Amino acid sequence: KAGVTQTPRYLIKTRGQQVTLSCSPISGHRSVSWYQQTPGQGLQFLFEYFSETQRNKGNFPGRFSGRQFSNSRSEMNVSTLELGDSALYLCASSLRLAGYNEQFFGPGTRLTVL
Amino acid sequence: DQQVKQNSPSLSVQEGRISILNCDYTNSMFDYFLWYKKYPAEGPTFLISISSIKDKNEDGRFTVFLNKSAKHLSLHIVPSQPGDSAVYFCAARGGDMRFGAGTRLTVKP
Repeated sequence: KAGVTQTPRYLIKTRGQQVTLSCSPISGHRSVSWYQQTPGQGLQFLFEYFSETQRNKGNFPGRFSGRQFSNSRSEMNVSTLELGDSALYLCASSLRLAGYNEQFFGPGTRLTVL
Repeated sequence: DQQVKQNSPSLSVQEGRISILNCDYTNSMFDYFLWYKKYPAEGPTFLISISSIKDKNEDGRFTVFLNKSAKHLSLHIVPSQPGDSAVYFCAARGGDMRFGAGTRLTVKP
């Protein structure tokens, strides 16, 4: 069974640009969660999608948005990039809502904002 | 606000000795706690978990202890092996998942 895949693995952008990251969950998993990992801050929860609907949202500005498609694949978009957005963005999938099911993580997308 | 805290950013132990990683939480609504292990260039992988109705869960060399009154949990690794060197994240569930900042464990041969 294939694991969670994320594309691209590495990305370099400049301030003010926007970026879209993609996540394909494990087959059969319907929940996709996104996290931002920065040194010293650990994994900070961005949002969770289940059956194409955002179910939970962390404390991030509106520049961070996402969506989920009918095949459970998810995209995350960050607009008007800032230097502080440089981080590893991790996607995790679970059978149902992450709050009650084990999550499986992808390898992440390393975003660098110059 | 950080509802899950790992106050030690790093820990170094000798091979064969015990590693103890600590985690504190503030939200009493959390009902399930997990530990994840992360190697460089990989996503975190699930290690061990514990329900809030228990105070201990053991899986091989790994044991997690939960002290609800102190809102504290710990992960014990005995004996520690060089392959255990990784970043360990504590996580808590209560509707969504909250993670700590991680502790980098180094096990020296």
